[in-house]
Amino acid sequence: NAGVTQTPKFRILKIGQSMTLQCTQDMNHNYMYWYRQDPGMGLKLIYYSVGAGITDKGEVPNGYNVSRSTTEDFPLRLELAAPSQTSVYFCASSEVPGQSTDTQYFGPGTRLTVL
Amino acid sequence: KQEVTQIPAALSVPEGENLVLNCSFTDSAIYNLQWFRQDPGKGLTSLLLIQSSQREQTSGRLNASLDKSSGRSTLYIAASQPGDSATYLCAVRPMGTYKYIFGTGTRLKVLA
Repeated sequence: NAGVTQTPKFRILKIGQSMTLQCTQDMNHNYMYWYRQDPGMGLKLIYYSVGAGITDKGEVPNGYNVSRSTTEDFPLRLELAAPSQTSVYFCASSEVPGQSTDTQYFGPGTRLTVL
Repeated sequence: KQEVTQIPAALSVPEGENLVLNCSFTDSAIYNLQWFRQDPGKGLTSLLLIQSSQREQTSGRLNASLDKSSGRSTLYIAASQPGDSATYLCAVRPMGTYKYIFGTGTRLKVLA
């Protein structure tokens, strides 16, 4: 049981390039999330998904896109990378939010630098 | 708009001390509150989840309390160890949402 896996671990992009951050979970969780964490800051929600085929914007969605074609995978797409997107990106998953099943499981993160 | 604050931003204590980390939130309408641990360069690990109807949760040397009416939670760590050194984040899930709102964390260093 690998939990939540993310690839790549590190990436350097040039301004204007595009890339996809991969996220996969093997816990059969319906809910998946993408966060970014800037130095000294808390996590900001970019996008989330409540199930295959359903996605919604979080607090900071501009410059990003997501898709959810399967329960397991939730890739995050950066189009036209900008220096402001330099950050650490975390993917997380959880069961259906409720009182006792709301624990979020996080991946190890992708450290992205845009130059 | 829900905001989550953690004070202090950083804390250093000698090994063996009992310590308290603080988390405050502006809107008491929450489903639950979670405390997470983050080691440098790593993802977050959930430590304790307190449901809105609960007052506290315990796991080993950790005890988290929740006072919704005052918008506060504390994480108590007993007999701290160098291995407890990490950043601790709290997060709340507001009522009617699937999202978590995170604080900026407290960076803890336990000195041997």
